[in-house]
Amino acid sequence: DQQVKQNSPSLSVQEGRISILNCDYTNSMFDYFLWYKKYPAEGPTFLISISSIKDKNEDGRFTVFLNKSAKHLSLHIVPSQPGDSAVYFCAASEVTTDSWGKLQFGAGTQVVVTP
Amino acid sequence: NAGVTQTPKFQVLKTGQSMTLQCAQDMNHEYMSWYRQDPGMGLRLIHYSVGAGITDQGEVPNGYNVSRSTTEDFPLRLLSAAPSQTSVYFCASSYSIGRAGEQYFGPGTRLTVT
Repeated sequence: DQQVKQNSPSLSVQEGRISILNCDYTNSMFDYFLWYKKYPAEGPTFLISISSIKDKNEDGRFTVFLNKSAKHLSLHIVPSQPGDSAVYFCAASEVTTDSWGKLQFGAGTQVVVTP
Repeated sequence: NAGVTQTPKFQVLKTGQSMTLQCAQDMNHEYMSWYRQDPGMGLRLIHYSVGAGITDQGEVPNGYNVSRSTTEDFPLRLLSAAPSQTSVYFCASSYSIGRAGEQYFGPGTRLTVT
């Protein structure tokens, strides 16, 4: 039973435009959310995170939005660059002593940025 | 710093064989974990450790053992390989339990069990 879902397996976007990646979750105990980026033959790298006390977090070209009532988060990349072509994973964690660090990952979205 | 290193990069096993996937980090991180990545399923947590001498099970622990005798090393042992264990395995570490979500991942080991 996947508790974190990324329903778009792929996304193609033109260089310079906005990329919007979506993620839905079902566990209302999730309190901390992260996005990871993965290139082929490499491990995922941490991109940006947000805790449930916020609804937005920004880091350069990357912004994550959280809508707790809808159990939905999204990652915006503006402007998209060719180096952003990668698989993006959404992940979530419960903030409890027993669960801290136990990340639940979505299946990933392959982003392709075209010239 | 080398970060998180994993060996081997690739491995082919026959059903029933055992092997150990190695993971090491040189960042003095407390928290280490093992994930497997399968097509269409994202990464799933196998085992994790919050410090030397302490390990616990994740979401999919069956068929795997771990130990954490030092801060640096966190090997994953496959006891009797099965085709269902064909996957890409990632080791990860984090500098504190409180920030365990922001983990550093190794490059992965691609394992095929025939």
